[in-house]
Amino acid sequence: QVQLQQWGAGLLKPSETLSLTCAVYGGSFSGYYWNWIRQPPGKGLEWIGEINHSGSTAYNPSLNSRVTLSVDTSKNQFSLKLSSVNAADTAVYYCARTAGLGSEPIDYWGQGTLVTVSS
Amino acid sequence: EIVLTQSPGTLSLSPGERATLSCRASQSVSSRYLAWYHQKPGQAPRLLIYAASSRATGIPDRFSGSGSGTDFTLTISRLEPEDFAVYYCQQYGSSPRTFGQGTKVEIK
Repeated sequence: QVQLQQWGAGLLKPSETLSLTCAVYGGSFSGYYWNWIRQPPGKGLEWIGEINHSGSTAYNPSLNSRVTLSVDTSKNQFSLKLSSVNAADTAVYYCARTAGLGSEPIDYWGQGTLVTVSS
Repeated sequence: EIVLTQSPGTLSLSPGERATLSCRASQSVSSRYLAWYHQKPGQAPRLLIYAASSRATGIPDRFSGSGSGTDFTLTISRLEPEDFAVYYCQQYGSSPRTFGQGTKVEIK
């Protein structure tokens, strides 16, 4: 049974850097893309980006300049950093697995982390 | 970027009724790369349908997907109480992956 467990700071001030990590349990770490997706309160889903076990990435151009994804294969973990946050970055952030290395849907999700940006 | 527009925004139905949800893309999407998810309050989304019409593991056969090109449909043949939720379509064939804005299926 694949499980994604995520953690990170839940309250940030404007201009700070958001940092979240997701650990993968119960399945292979290679052979998949690992995603970050966010959902502002009461709104829809926005794909942030993805990374595979070898560090190959793709980012949403709307956030590209502020996002960095990284991977630690020794721990089966991947991480998100989003710089210069503002109130518009307040959202529930999910880590998630794409069901393969090609163009695949998302089949497993983390529990979500609410990140609030407020002065 | 492919924009997905879902309609209606809200669907008010009774248990046992049929639900038909629409997802329209701003440009053609291969049917291999269209998925549907539902999300209940306080939970992460769950994959229902992938490749436009294939049910994910454990999804009951009252859920079905269809469509091609720019028009896709999710049908729930008979609504069960646990089906009242928000439904999202997603295209995963091109980057950035994009989601529709969601359709809320609520109890009438």
